[in-house]
Order: sequence, then structure tokens, then C-alpha cells
Amino acid sequence: DIQVTQSPSSLSASVGDRVTITCRASQKINIYLNWYQQKPGKAPNLLIFATSGLQSGVPSRFSGSGSGTDFTLTISSLQPEDFATYYCQQSYSIPPTFGQGTRLELK
Amino acid sequence: EVQLLESGGGLVRPGGSLRLSCATSGFTLSAYAMSWFRQAPGKGLEWVSFISNTGGGRHYADSVKGRFTISRDNSKHTVYLQMNSLTAEDTAEYYCAKDRVARGVLTTASFDYWGQGALVTVSA
Repeated sequence: DIQVTQSPSSLSASVGDRVTITCRASQKINIYLNWYQQKPGKAPNLLIFATSGLQSGVPSRFSGSGSGTDFTLTISSLQPEDFATYYCQQSYSIPPTFGQGTRLELK
Repeated sequence: EVQLLESGGGLVRPGGSLRLSCATSGFTLSAYAMSWFRQAPGKGLEWVSFISNTGGGRHYADSVKGRFTISRDNSKHTVYLQMNSLTAEDTAEYYCAKDRVARGVLTTASFDYWGQGALVTVSA
């Protein structure tokens, strides 16, 4: 199985900050890396597909980049509704696997 | 509006069985692959199973292979997860999710709509 490692596991930031979360795969996964946001008690919400595709309805302050094994989710200017847990997920091979999550908290 | 609604969760004893259902609306189920995921309390996300849009392709996580069976009835707009030989390690919130792309495959898939979840608790 492909292992996916996210960093940091938690992050404190303020409204308006620029935030970056990284995800590293244990082998090359082409562009097949997705990002999800999950709020407490809710289902995950797709933000970014295939490294950099912005899912319909997701604000443009969210962006993704990377290739091969290293990928990044960037939030350009944090809004109050962005404090949540973020997961990356590789879909290059079966089984699809998730990072352990990054909890983004208000400083 | 796309909606997914899981049902069938509950408390079950070790070794028991449950069948989860995922009722869908707002899209043509027969065009989309579907997956089940789970999340143990306080833990991260885990993919459980996948079924292609026709039902001809199915995949399972090693942790559930031989115990869980995914199926679908496109005429009833519903996807199912039959869970047998349950253990405490299967305790989790279970989510069904829709593939973003029509007639997609599990490799390259992303999941754009999720249900609200069904809680499965396995305990004596």
C-alpha cells in the first residue's frame, strides 16, 4: 500500500494568514492526490482533485500543487470557516489511502 | 441537488452482521461508481470498498475482505454494504460517497458527495 504522510499534524493560525499543508507519498503517484476538509461531526468535503483541480463551489483561496511524491494544499487567506481538519488522499493505486490529517486551529 | 443518505447502522455484538444502505437522489446512480469509507471515533479516514457503476467491478480493503460485500441496485437508487463477522475494530462512522467522474475507476477517483454517515458500534 502507498503510505501518505501529512505535515504538520496540527497547526495554529489566525484569520487572514496564509497556510500550507504538505503531503508526501511513499512512491510516485503522478497527479492523483486529492484534498478534503472535514468539520467536527460532518462528512468530508472535497476541495481539490488531481493535485490542483478546484472542486466546484470551493473558494478560490484554496489551491493545490505538486507532483510525484510531494504535494501541497495552500489556503491564501484564512477565513473563520476554514478551521477544520484536512486530509490528503492518493488514488493512484488500490487501496486508496489517506494522510493522518492536519488539524487547523485558531491561534 | 445530490443527496446521499445512509441507514442501517446501530449496535451489534461481536460476530454479528449489519447491512448498511445508501439511498441516493439528484443524480443518475447508474452512471457513477460508489465507495464506502469509515472513520473510527477520533481517528482518520479509511477507504472500505468500491463498486463500479455497473456493479461489475468491486474492490475491498484488506481489513474487510471476505467479511464485507458491496452491492448496488440502480433501479432503487441504492448502494449497500453487507457487513458480517463484525469485530470491535469495525466500530466507526460509515460514509458512502460518490465518484466525481461518471463511469470512473478506483484508481484516479475522487469523491465529491458524501452521506452524513451511519454509526456502527460493535460491542458485547
